Amino acid sequence: DAGVIQSPRHEVTEMGQEVTLRCKLISGHNSLFWYRQTMMRGLELLIYFNNNVPIDDSGMPEDRFSAKMPNASFSTLKIQPSEPRDSAVYFCASSLYRQIFQLMNTEAFFGQGTRLTVV
Amino acid sequence: DAKTTQPPSMDCAEGRAANLPCNHSTISGNEYVYWYRQIHSQGPQYIIHGLKNNETNEMASLIITEDRKSSTLILPHATLRDTAVYYCIVRLDRDDKIIFGKGTRLHILP
Repeated sequence: DAGVIQSPRHEVTEMGQEVTLRCKLISGHNSLFWYRQTMMRGLELLIYFNNNVPIDDSGMPEDRFSAKMPNASFSTLKIQPSEPRDSAVYFCASSLYRQIFQLMNTEAFFGQGTRLTVV
Repeated sequence: DAKTTQPPSMDCAEGRAANLPCNHSTISGNEYVYWYRQIHSQGPQYIIHGLKNNETNEMASLIITEDRKSSTLILPHATLRDTAVYYCIVRLDRDDKIIFGKGTRLHILP
């Protein structure tokens, strides 16, 4: 498996434009996480999904951010309109959430990230 | 908020064992200790996790104290490629959330 794949790797956009970040999960994984990393705030959990359903979006900064899972293997994070303070590295990660005998998570695997610059 | 406390930075000589401490004094009985690391410009990478017993894999060893209030990640023979930020995380195994703190920046000295 190629691991978690994010695209694009780098994105430069002008303030006010819509930005869409993409993530392909590892085959067979059913949990998906979006994180944002900046020097000031470190790694912040934005939202996570389990079996395509958003479980916790309390980390999403504001209504300008939205995330979807149109199918079990793919997710998008959209920022509309983008602002300079959104500049950061955005990571997605996937894991397998098992419900056999007991609820249990495996370790999460992270993508290489998308470096977003809003000018 | 992260439930762990780690030193902000550490140095270790190449070839020596790197011992990274972590305090998690408020850990509950069903919470696991996870370790991840992040090498510059890459996504975080899983290293190891444990509940009560010490654990070892091909990357590292995890030593958890008997009262579970602290743990130590051991890289037995550190190399320059182990230079990274190491995150100690407390997590319910049935909880999807992985909350990162500030971690320890480990410098491997040649």
